[in-house]
Amino acid sequence: DIQMTQSPSSVSASVGDRVTITCRASQYVGDRLVWYQQRPMKAPNLLIYGASSLQNGVPSRFSGSGSGTDFTLTISSLQPEDFATYYCQQAATFPPLTFGGGTKVEIK
Amino acid sequence: EVQLLESGGGLVQPGGSLRLPCAGSRFTSGNYAVHWVRQAPGKGLEWVSAIGSSGGGTFYADSVKGRFTISRDTSKNTLYLQMNSLRADDTAVYYCATKMLLTSYVALDNWGQGILVTVSS
Repeated sequence: DIQMTQSPSSVSASVGDRVTITCRASQYVGDRLVWYQQRPMKAPNLLIYGASSLQNGVPSRFSGSGSGTDFTLTISSLQPEDFATYYCQQAATFPPLTFGGGTKVEIK
Repeated sequence: EVQLLESGGGLVQPGGSLRLPCAGSRFTSGNYAVHWVRQAPGKGLEWVSAIGSSGGGTFYADSVKGRFTISRDTSKNTLYLQMNSLRADDTAVYYCATKMLLTSYVALDNWGQGILVTVSS
C-alpha cells in the first residue's frame, strides 16, 4: 500500500497568513493526488483533485502543486473559515485509497 | 448536487452486527461508484469499502475484509454497509461518499454527514 505522510501535523497561523502544507507519497502517484478540508464535526470537503485542479466552488486562495511523490497545498491568505484539518489522499493505486494523517490549521 | 444521508448507527456489543444505509437524493445510485470512509474519534480518515457503478465490483480494506459487505439497491437509490463481527476498533463515524464522475481515479466529491458507530460492552 502507498503511505501518505503530511507535514506539519499542525500549524498555528493568523488571518491573512500564507500557509503551506506538504504531502509525500511512499511511491510514485503521478498527479493522482486529492486534497480535502474537514471543519470540526463536519464531513470532509473536496478541495483539489489531480494535484492542482480546483473543485467547483472552492476559493482561488487555495492552490495545489506537485507531482510524483511530493505535493503542496497552499492557502495564499488565510480566512477565518479556513481553520480546519486538511487531508491528502492518493488515487494512483486502488484498492486501497490511502489518506495522509492530516494537518490541523489553528488560530495563532 | 447529490445529497447523501447515512443512518443505522448506534451502540453495539463486540461481535455484533449493524447495517448502515446510505440514501441519496438526486442520486441514481447505479451511476456512481460509492465509497465508505470512517474516522475513529480524534483520528484521521480511513478508507473502508467501495462499490463500483453499475456492473462494477466491490472492494474492501484489509481491516474489514471478510466482516463487512457493501451492496446497493438501485430501486431504492440506497447503498448498504453490512458490518458483522464488530470490534472495538471499528468504533468511528462512517461516511458514504461518491466518486467524482469527471475523473478516472477516485476523488470523493459528495459526502454524507456521517453516522457514529460505537462498539462497546
